[in-house]
Amino acid sequence: GAGVSQSPSNKVTEKGKDVELRCDPISGHTALYWYRQSLGQGLEFLIYFQGNSAPDKSGLPSDRFSAERTGGSVSTLTIQRTQQEDSAVYLCASSSTYTTSFGSGTRLTVV
Amino acid sequence: AQSVTQLGSHVSVSEGALVLLRCNYSSSVPPYLFWYVQYPNQGLQLLLKYTTGATLVKGINGFEAEFKKSETSFHLTKPSAHMSDAAEYFCAVTITNTGFQKLVFGTGTRLLVSP
Repeated sequence: GAGVSQSPSNKVTEKGKDVELRCDPISGHTALYWYRQSLGQGLEFLIYFQGNSAPDKSGLPSDRFSAERTGGSVSTLTIQRTQQEDSAVYLCASSSTYTTSFGSGTRLTVV
Repeated sequence: AQSVTQLGSHVSVSEGALVLLRCNYSSSVPPYLFWYVQYPNQGLQLLLKYTTGATLVKGINGFEAEFKKSETSFHLTKPSAHMSDAAEYFCAVTITNTGFQKLVFGTGTRLLVSP
């Protein structure tokens, strides 16, 4: 497809379980970002991949959160031992020079 | 570090009225500024951006914004609101010397349009 694709679109999980969220960026975009959108909190930066450089993990809220990007393309955000406060929409974005495109997000609900 | 402040979590206007959504930024270096719109259950769509050059920026759907360095502002306006403009709007800032963007977002303003 032409846009950033995220899956699943919705995920309900039990507290304590691990979840994986997937992002397929636009082909050719070398930069990839994960943001978290919580109600009333705006968009919170989580992690940034740029080419083959070490990722900028400065926004990850705890060591339960991790992300990887394989082959410079698809990225997976993993949340271990989920907590109720992890409930949010997780947005992925990819960039070429001066253009950033967002996916529709994964809505995560921890029950 | 950069930051943006959006004044008003909710703005209500009547159809046909002026839309004004406020954004103030903080940046120690010349910023790049953006407005994004988010419709329900969708991702963010770029409305417009200011990088360099002309300070009045025109975007999609009749929106425009003016970069005012003296006021550290980048307010979004539209002369006449349409029902379809009802959405959440986010202002964002970045500084970049690489051409890639690590955007810092405001908390968003929900625009409500009444008939």
